[in-house]
Amino acid sequence: GESVGLHLPTLSVQEGDNSIINCAYSNSASDYFIWYKQESGKGPQFIIDIRSNMDKRQGQRVTVLLNKTVKHLSLQIAATQPGDSAVYFCAENNNAGNMLTFGGGTRLMVKP
Amino acid sequence: EPEVTQTPSHQVTQMGQEVILRCVPISNHLYFYWYRQILGQKVEFLVSFYNNEISEKSEIFDDQFSVERPDGSNFTLKIRSTKLEDSAMYFCATALAPGNEQFFGPGTRLTVL
Repeated sequence: GESVGLHLPTLSVQEGDNSIINCAYSNSASDYFIWYKQESGKGPQFIIDIRSNMDKRQGQRVTVLLNKTVKHLSLQIAATQPGDSAVYFCAENNNAGNMLTFGGGTRLMVKP
Repeated sequence: EPEVTQTPSHQVTQMGQEVILRCVPISNHLYFYWYRQILGQKVEFLVSFYNNEISEKSEIFDDQFSVERPDGSNFTLKIRSTKLEDSAMYFCATALAPGNEQFFGPGTRLTVL
């Protein structure tokens, strides 16, 4: 079946380093992708999104890259801070926008 | 900043009992969603709701589940006869339009004993 998935369950980085979190998707018809951050005991928090007509989108300290050829999505966090420690999910919004399909999540741990 | 709120934050119930989870959407949002997250697992879509109708639902959303917007403000998820495997975090999300950013509430932790 179609799925959105993550490569690494846990990523540990040093404070100040850059982080890269990866995601693979299998539905080549997907046209909208979102990265969410989830802190312990809280709901998913929108970080950044990208549509399939773009390869790259930048926000504040975050960049999302989309490679449609290999159906790969990544989230780059610059100068990672302790407050970035959380689980990060990629999600696919289907064409009608009626549901989000989430990947399995990557836990980012930032060491001081 | 407007936010989605959910009540209760934690619900403990006996197997077979009915539970109602409540969500207050952001005021000008018209599209509503329920998701669940079993401990340690990914977030799973349950149902989407617009104009007082279900737009889409997943296989999880069987006839034990129902949703409604009884008073034009609250958006509720009812589980008629809870099972042990219904224990999870339940998140409400709302959006201005399909394909727009979905804003998530803080969740309700449901524990079925």
